[in-house]
Amino acid sequence: DADVTQTPRNRITKTGKRIMLECSQTKGHDRMYWYRQDPGLGLRLIYYSFDVKDINKGEISDGYSVSRQAQAKFSLSLESAIPNQTALYFCATSGQGSRNEQFFGPGTRLTVL
Amino acid sequence: GENVEQHPSTLSVQEGDSAVIKCTYSDSASNYFPWYKQELGKRPQLIIDIRSNVGEKKDQRIAVTLNKTAKHFSLHITETQPEDSAVYFCAASMESGGYQKVTFGTGTKLQVIP
Repeated sequence: DADVTQTPRNRITKTGKRIMLECSQTKGHDRMYWYRQDPGLGLRLIYYSFDVKDINKGEISDGYSVSRQAQAKFSLSLESAIPNQTALYFCATSGQGSRNEQFFGPGTRLTVL
Repeated sequence: GENVEQHPSTLSVQEGDSAVIKCTYSDSASNYFPWYKQELGKRPQLIIDIRSNVGEKKDQRIAVTLNKTAKHFSLHITETQPEDSAVYFCAASMESGGYQKVTFGTGTKLQVIP
């Protein structure tokens, strides 16, 4: 089945370390997203990409960067991790059209000590 | 930008009772309103959606209503079952710069008590 996958699923790191979270999809979708989920705050958009040449900041992009290596791959980097970046991170994809149903990956739980 | 408020943040109901989750949005340009369900430890998944040209949509035990004038929409779950226990997110979506921008609410944790 076409799917969205994320690696790693869990990661514990220390303040100041560089971290990369990876997302791959086999759904053939052009659009990919990175969200952060915190208790009581819902899902907040970090970055999104329409295709490999298009990268856009979301509402909370500070401290994060992304790379769209291919249509199927979208990576999120924390250049210098800090404790308040401890959260659950979701990658999502959507196809073209007005419905914009988002298909989420399984999530990456990141803890920054 | 769009702002979506969702209430309540937690909701407990007895099995068989109904549950209602309400959301409001701020931007009248929003035209698509999906609802996602996230079971414990799982990814969010779309359960129902409604477009701005429709006032109500039903799918078995779940229904969504939309009041464009008041800018609010609601999720209704009837005859709740334990497997309905999850976090539910509403969202409002609009076309912006060629992109269908989605803003999520903060989530409602629903607990169905057997």
